[in-house]
Amino acid sequence: DQQVKQNSPSLSVQEGRISILNCDYTNSMFDYFLWYKKYPAEGPTFLISISSIKDKNEDGRFTVFLNKSAKHLSLHIVPSQPGDSAVYFCAARLIQGAQKLVFGQGTRLTINP
Amino acid sequence: GAGVSQTPSNKVTEKGKYVELRCDPISGHTALYWYRQSLGQGPEFLIYFQGTGAADDSGLPNDRFFAVRPEGSVSTLKIQRTERGDSAVYLCASRLGPDSNEAFFGQGTRLTVV
Repeated sequence: DQQVKQNSPSLSVQEGRISILNCDYTNSMFDYFLWYKKYPAEGPTFLISISSIKDKNEDGRFTVFLNKSAKHLSLHIVPSQPGDSAVYFCAARLIQGAQKLVFGQGTRLTINP
Repeated sequence: GAGVSQTPSNKVTEKGKYVELRCDPISGHTALYWYRQSLGQGPEFLIYFQGTGAADDSGLPNDRFFAVRPEGSVSTLKIQRTERGDSAVYLCASRLGPDSNEAFFGQGTRLTVV
């Protein structure tokens, strides 16, 4: 069972416009949600996170929104830049035990000049 | 370096052989995780160490997989009798401690079993 889902395998956005990446989850036992960015041959790099008690967190060009009733979160990047082209993973942290991260399948974002 | 370091970057091995993958976490980080990423998928949890002990090994797929962290720093993931299905990128991540939210990942070891 896929507890965290990213239903869009890829997204293409024009430079300067807004990129919106989406993520859905099914488990209510998550206390934090994180977004990671991954370039080829590199490990995932932390981008931004949000606590389950918040509905928005902003860091520069990146904003994450959390809708708990819909079990949905999204990452907004504005304005999008060519360097943002990468695979983005949504991850949810389990409250109990190891606090392990459960990842979505990833969305490949391509920013076109 | 200041980040999580994994060696080797790439490993090609024959089916049935034994392999060891090494992870050097960020200094001072007590929490260490191993994840496995197959092509087109997100990373999947394998095992978690808090200090020297494996606090949660529920993600290990079978008893061919084992991991140690004898001194609470470096960790080694060991795979016996490798199978072609073990081919994946193995990622290590460390976190400062139980109250820290952010996990830092290494670049991964790409294991190919031929």
